[in-house]
Amino acid sequence: ETGVTQTPRHLVMGMTNKKSLKCEQHLGHNAMYWYKQSAKKPLELMFVYNFKEQTENNSVPSRFSPECPNSSHLFLHLHTLQPEDSALYLCASSQTSGTSYEQYFGPGTRLTVT
Amino acid sequence: DQQVKQNSPSLSVQEGRISILNCDYTNSMFDYFLWYKKYPAEGPTFLISISSIKDKNEDGRFTVFLNKSAKHLSLHIVPSQPGDSAVYFCAASANNNNDMRFGAGTRLTVKP
Repeated sequence: ETGVTQTPRHLVMGMTNKKSLKCEQHLGHNAMYWYKQSAKKPLELMFVYNFKEQTENNSVPSRFSPECPNSSHLFLHLHTLQPEDSALYLCASSQTSGTSYEQYFGPGTRLTVT
Repeated sequence: DQQVKQNSPSLSVQEGRISILNCDYTNSMFDYFLWYKKYPAEGPTFLISISSIKDKNEDGRFTVFLNKSAKHLSLHIVPSQPGDSAVYFCAASANNNNDMRFGAGTRLTVKP
């Protein structure tokens, strides 16, 4: 149990659909992240939120829209996705103060775009 | 631009022997390195880390070695157990930056 939950665990959507991924952390952390993991590729950082403010956007297409209403919740809104967006989407959280920087991951949402 | 590389996609080791997983990086600004383990259908879990001021960090069966001049780190697992079979990711960050870079992972199989 990592303290970071993600829903749904699996999602199949058409290219014209709109859906949202949800992440919740129960660890009292102040930073949250979205990563994309495609097959046999490194995890790609998509977005970072520190204290609910977005601090990183790694050139992610606008069809991915993050939302962080508070420090415990993070959403990724999806619309007009492409088949190449099919991947595992991982949420993570961390405490950015202190001397250790490890991030704690949720189980991921396996997304398939048809 | 892949700044963290794990050149071995897979490794197979006999139970009880040592597993050595390798990782190379290109960014000399990285000052904090981590290893994560990932089982199927689960997110990566933090295993062990090392700061650039050290060259070794040990936690039970797991030891991470850092060679800054070679920009290389390795994870040693000894003795290896079947439950260690998973995908291992190397990660690095710079200056307490949230932007952590990951390798592509090495799948370790420990055979009984």
